Amino acid sequence: GAGVSQSPSNKVTEKGKDVELRCDPISGHTALYWYRQSLGQGLEFLIYFQGNSAPDKSGLPSDRFSAERTGGSVSTLTIQRTQQEDSAVYLCASSMRRGGTTDTQYFGPGTRLTVL
Amino acid sequence: AQSVSQHNHHVILSEAASLELGCNYSYGGTVNLFWYVQYPGQHLQLLLKYFSGDPLVKGIKGFEAEFIKSKFSFNLRKPSVQWSDTAEYFCAVNTGTASKLTFGTGTRLQVTL
Repeated sequence: GAGVSQSPSNKVTEKGKDVELRCDPISGHTALYWYRQSLGQGLEFLIYFQGNSAPDKSGLPSDRFSAERTGGSVSTLTIQRTQQEDSAVYLCASSMRRGGTTDTQYFGPGTRLTVL
Repeated sequence: AQSVSQHNHHVILSEAASLELGCNYSYGGTVNLFWYVQYPGQHLQLLLKYFSGDPLVKGIKGFEAEFIKSKFSFNLRKPSVQWSDTAEYFCAVNTGTASKLTFGTGTRLQVTL
């Protein structure tokens, strides 16, 4: 079946602009994660949605970052007033069970964000 | 908070050589351990995972990993690598209570013909 999809695949923006990144998880997966992959920091957790519970936002680097998940499916990661250090590949992952720590997380292809 | 160390940043091997990539984690409680692989131009995919039972786990494409609790290690092995194993390999851990993954910095494996 279809995997995790993300759009856009590439985004170039100017410093100070807002951007929205979209993630469509695998159908039926109830858990959704956002990670960031950057040269200096490797792969870092950003935020986690689990069903109708309050999201775990512990990885968001600043209040310029926010995310929502509508209808338990599609998620949008928003970065306001982008800075050059926000340049990275933003990865989305989903897994089947709510809060299943042993579940496999399936990753999307990522959105490469470049802030000029 | 947990952390993961991958000491080999770049490994170059000839085809048919044996592979061992190191992974050490720091966390005193229950952990689940994962190895993910990212082939050139592709997205991250799971190679194998350990959460309980036999500490020697086998994954796809002939890879295996051994969990040694006393050493806080989960090293990845393959007896004979192929050119197609050229990729970046990431070790990751989560705890028994939180499913978010903490990743190591990755090891770039280059297999030469």
